[in-house]
Amino acid sequence: DTGVSQNPRHKITKRGQNVTFRCDPISEHNRLYWYRQTLGQGPEFLTYFQNEAQLEKSRLLSDRFSAERPKGSFSTLEIQRTEQGDSAMYLCASSPSANQPQHFGDGTRLSIL
Amino acid sequence: DQQVKQNSPSLSVQEGRISILNCDYTNSMFDYFLWYKKYPAEGPTFLISISSIKDKNEDGRFTVFLNKSAKHLSLHIVPSQPGDSAVYFCAASAYGQNFVFGPGTRLSVLP
Repeated sequence: DTGVSQNPRHKITKRGQNVTFRCDPISEHNRLYWYRQTLGQGPEFLTYFQNEAQLEKSRLLSDRFSAERPKGSFSTLEIQRTEQGDSAMYLCASSPSANQPQHFGDGTRLSIL
Repeated sequence: DQQVKQNSPSLSVQEGRISILNCDYTNSMFDYFLWYKKYPAEGPTFLISISSIKDKNEDGRFTVFLNKSAKHLSLHIVPSQPGDSAVYFCAASAYGQNFVFGPGTRLSVLP
C-alpha cells in the first residue's frame, strides 16, 4: 500500500499527558499537511511542510503543539499537556507540490479522558 | 470567519438522478478548488479539482463548475449511485498555500 499512513489509529490518554502521532506520506511527495477535524466540521488546517521546512502554521496551533519533518520524509505531531478540547481526529495529507490534490491518511482519533 | 461555506448540511437524491452539491467562498484570492468525498472512519478521498482559469472540469460522472464572479462552485454527479452516499467537502487554496475546507454536505443516494 503506497498511500498515506498514520499511526496510531486511536489514542486515548488522560488530560495533561503528552501524545505524539506519526505520518508517513506517499513517497516523493514534497508537501505534507496536518489537519484537525471535529464532528460536523471540515478539516481545519494546522501546519504544512515543503520537504523538511515548516512553511506555515495556523493560529490554531498553540505553543503546546509542535510538528517536525526530519529529512523531509515522515512527520510527527506532538501535543504537550493535552486538554479536553484537543479531542479530535488528526489528519495528515501529502501532495507532490503546491496546487496538486492532497492525499489523506485515515487519521488518528485522539480522546482525552 | 468561514471562508468556504457549504450551506446544505445534507442532501437526499434518488438513484440514477443528478446530485448537485454547492459551495460558496468569500476569499477572492482563492485560485484552486477541490472536492473530496469522505466515508466514515476513512480519510477524505480526492474527487476532482478545478483551477480559477477554467469554469468547468469533467471526470466521468463528476463535473465541477466554477463561477468566479459569484464566488460559487458546484459538483454534479450524474447518474447518482448508492455508493456515492458520503460526506462531500469542498476546499480552496490561494497561491499554492494551505487549503481551507468547508463543513461538508452529507449526500444520501436512495435506491
